[in-house]
Amino acid sequence: ETGVTQTPRHLVMGMTNKKSLKCEQHLGHNAMYWYKQSAKKPLELMFVYNFKEQTENNSVPSRFSPECPNSSHLFLHLHTLQPEDSALYLCASSHQRQGGTDTQYFGPGTRLTVL
Amino acid sequence: GDSVTQMEGPVTLSEEAFLTINCTYTATGYPSLFWYVQYPGEGLQLLLKATKADDKGSNKGFEATYRKETTSFHLEKGSVQVSDSAVYFCALRMDFGNEKLTFGTGTRLTIIP
Repeated sequence: ETGVTQTPRHLVMGMTNKKSLKCEQHLGHNAMYWYKQSAKKPLELMFVYNFKEQTENNSVPSRFSPECPNSSHLFLHLHTLQPEDSALYLCASSHQRQGGTDTQYFGPGTRLTVL
Repeated sequence: GDSVTQMEGPVTLSEEAFLTINCTYTATGYPSLFWYVQYPGEGLQLLLKATKADDKGSNKGFEATYRKETTSFHLEKGSVQVSDSAVYFCALRMDFGNEKLTFGTGTRLTIIP
């Protein structure tokens, strides 16, 4: 059973659409992450938020725009995507404390298809 | 940079067979090592981990030993079940204070009755 939920689970969008992915964690964590999982490629870390502040942006194109309004919610706003952006987008959370970071817990992902 | 290499899949085994999924890593220091599992339609779940050389992580009958000399963290299970069918990811994290995980490409495992 996961304490990280993601909506929607599946999304099909055109290249001119604007959509948002939502992630919510119920674990009391203070760090949240977006990953991209493409076929036959390693998971790619996209963004990291600690205490609602973005601490990492892994050279992600500006057509992906994250938002973290509080430590329990994370959004990924999408606009003018390309077909190669089709992938499974995974959200994760963890507890960041002084001296280290605990295990990351993942949500089920949003399967995105860009037509 | 840091990287993780896993054996290519898919791997298909009969129930009760012995499983090994190879994982080797390249890192500038001594990372913590992880195996994650992804069941169909679900997110990744931590299966086991090891934080220093010669540590053995174990869970649900799976084991992996951190081998510094061979920079490896191979996943093993003595007798697999149909319910073990999933995708398995090896990953490393360089510093305990650094939250960044580096993943391998994943190995799809299918167990047939």
